[in-house]
Amino acid sequence: AQKITQTQPGMFVQEKEAVTLDCTYDTSDQSYGLFWYKQPSSGEMIFLIYQGSYDEQNATEGRYSLNFQKARKSANLVISASQLGDSAMYFCAMSPGQDYGGSQGNLIFGKGTKLSVKP
Amino acid sequence: DSGVTQTPKHLITATGQRVTLRCSPRSGDLSVYWYQQSLDQGLQFLIQYYNGEERAKGNILERFSAQQFPDLHSELNLSSLELGDSALYFCASSVEAGGWDNEQFFGPGTRLTVL
Repeated sequence: AQKITQTQPGMFVQEKEAVTLDCTYDTSDQSYGLFWYKQPSSGEMIFLIYQGSYDEQNATEGRYSLNFQKARKSANLVISASQLGDSAMYFCAMSPGQDYGGSQGNLIFGKGTKLSVKP
Repeated sequence: DSGVTQTPKHLITATGQRVTLRCSPRSGDLSVYWYQQSLDQGLQFLIQYYNGEERAKGNILERFSAQQFPDLHSELNLSSLELGDSALYFCASSVEAGGWDNEQFFGPGTRLTVL
């Protein structure tokens, strides 16, 4: 069964420094997608970045990059130059590939990491 | 703004009652997903509809039901409510029914409190 593991319940980072949030996944699918979402205290889920299992290059979106290591089944999120507004919960999620069920697209989420940025 | 709308934003009700949560997907999206977020269970997938048809079921209780209408909006019905049903309920939408690159866009959520 697919599973996402986020081992850091909470993390602190100094403003303007970089931080890495860990995510490991378990799947037997050959094709899958990995996503990161941000959930601020207001509650909405904000899409940050996506990595496909066949993408050879790590995904980047502004200050966010995804450190994808397929052999280790890890998809860590790197936030560069942290800002106070980055304080939030961060969720790693996986979309199963077509060869899993073949017909459903629900995301499987980890339990999240609470990031606190210190001034 | 993801383009997915959910109403109401907050809902407070009593045990045993029934409520309906509403979701309008992004324009052009055919899939609608419902997720429940609670402190103890985390983010759990409940159910998916694609173009009006039920596509997949997750950890949805028998007291809960959903449907997707011809205009593609969806409603999640929660009945015989219990204290443990208090949670944040998200609706998400996507263009496709599934696939590994199936990006989902989340609505702002409905926070349900059962007293």
